[in-house]
Amino acid sequence: SAVISQKPSRDICQRGTSLTIQCQVDSQVTMMFWYRQQPGQSLTLIATANQGSEATYESGFVIDKFPISRPNLTFSTLTVSNMSPEDSSIYLCSVPRTGGADYGYTFGSGTRLTVV
Amino acid sequence: EDKVVQSPLSLVVHEGDTVTLNCSYEVTNFRSLLWYKQEKKAPTFLFMLTSSGIEKKSGRLSSILDKKELFSILNITATQTGDSAVYLCALGGFKTIFGAGTRLFVKA
Repeated sequence: SAVISQKPSRDICQRGTSLTIQCQVDSQVTMMFWYRQQPGQSLTLIATANQGSEATYESGFVIDKFPISRPNLTFSTLTVSNMSPEDSSIYLCSVPRTGGADYGYTFGSGTRLTVV
Repeated sequence: EDKVVQSPLSLVVHEGDTVTLNCSYEVTNFRSLLWYKQEKKAPTFLFMLTSSGIEKKSGRLSSILDKKELFSILNITATQTGDSAVYLCALGGFKTIFGAGTRLFVKA
């Protein structure tokens, strides 16, 4: 399965600022997925990032708040904009395991964001 | 609406104990059931199950799926402190749906 480098590992940010999270995959993948895990909660899909087209956002997530870039088949960024304490979460990027999404995902190492 | 429910929410055991984690689900189009271990931030893949009654094993961990009763269990035998983690169950597919997880703490 692919190896994903995600950074930053953690950050503490002031409310009203923005943070960009990067994920680099060691192989070309068609789709990348961004998840959020709020404290004590499970993983929630934010959006699917496709190369060459706009990301597809899940209900409750909007592009103005979580803009995503996917400039090529090995890289993606997620920006958390105009942050508030409610954005404090772990953010994870992922790609399907070999065989496709039915076989599960490989995740990046995660970004723990704290907004103060 | 597809749903995954895990139980118990948390569990404390002593080293050497055997634990059983439960996952029940509701889904309109079953593709696979997945188990992950989440120690710090990133979940790591444990098992993928697609067929009923066929046990998957990896060392001290094993899992089985019952597609008739719509549940799966994850067993861990001879638990060690390194097994302390959140165990996530998920429905596989393009939009994977995760359960809330079972937080396991193994005391030395």
